Amino acid sequence: DAKTTQPNSMESNEEEPVHLPCNHSTISGTDYIHWYRQLPSQGPEYVIHGLTSNVNNRMASLAIAEDRKSSTLILHRATLRDAAVYYCILFNGGTSYGKLTFGQGTILTVHP
Amino acid sequence: ETGVTQTPRHLVMGMTNKKSLKCEQHLGHNAMYWYKQSAKKPLELMFVYSLEERVENNSVPSRFSPECPNSSHLFLHLHTLQPEDSALYLCASSLNRGQIAGELFFGEGSRLTVL
Repeated sequence: DAKTTQPNSMESNEEEPVHLPCNHSTISGTDYIHWYRQLPSQGPEYVIHGLTSNVNNRMASLAIAEDRKSSTLILHRATLRDAAVYYCILFNGGTSYGKLTFGQGTILTVHP
Repeated sequence: ETGVTQTPRHLVMGMTNKKSLKCEQHLGHNAMYWYKQSAKKPLELMFVYSLEERVENNSVPSRFSPECPNSSHLFLHLHTLQPEDSALYLCASSLNRGQIAGELFFGEGSRLTVL
């Protein structure tokens, strides 16, 4: 499986935007970029995914570099509820049997 | 509420006990998964079932025995566990095994403590 690299931790203030980076220099052409997050005492939850183009949904935006070797998850206005571990994962549905390989993720702390 | 329900939420067992974890989903999904999350370690995939057939077993010790009687239910039978098996066990489901979107829906997990 292609690997991703994320900072161990990041901090933000409430109501401010947060940019969570992810490097995936060995990404293949058919790998999708997925983001999940895990709130304390809960299972992971899907946030967003993309292949080549930037993506927006009600939770976040995903900005993908033109060479696809990096991506950034953008939370437009952080709230206390966004404090969680954020995982950037590469997924290849054709070969991965739908399984996701989680790394250590980025611990996001949001200050009031 | 993700539509994936795990019971029990907490379980304490001795090394000689036999217990089971249960997972249930009513999302119409065809694939179900067991993940293990130990303290300070990434989630580890244990088993994958697609249409009630086990399609992946990631070198999990035989003291963990999965069962998938139908596409809505998944069990993890536990026997003669070790203290290092204490962890959060997470169940997940997805629409299809190889679906491109790859969106997994996770339950809240069963916190297992082995004494």
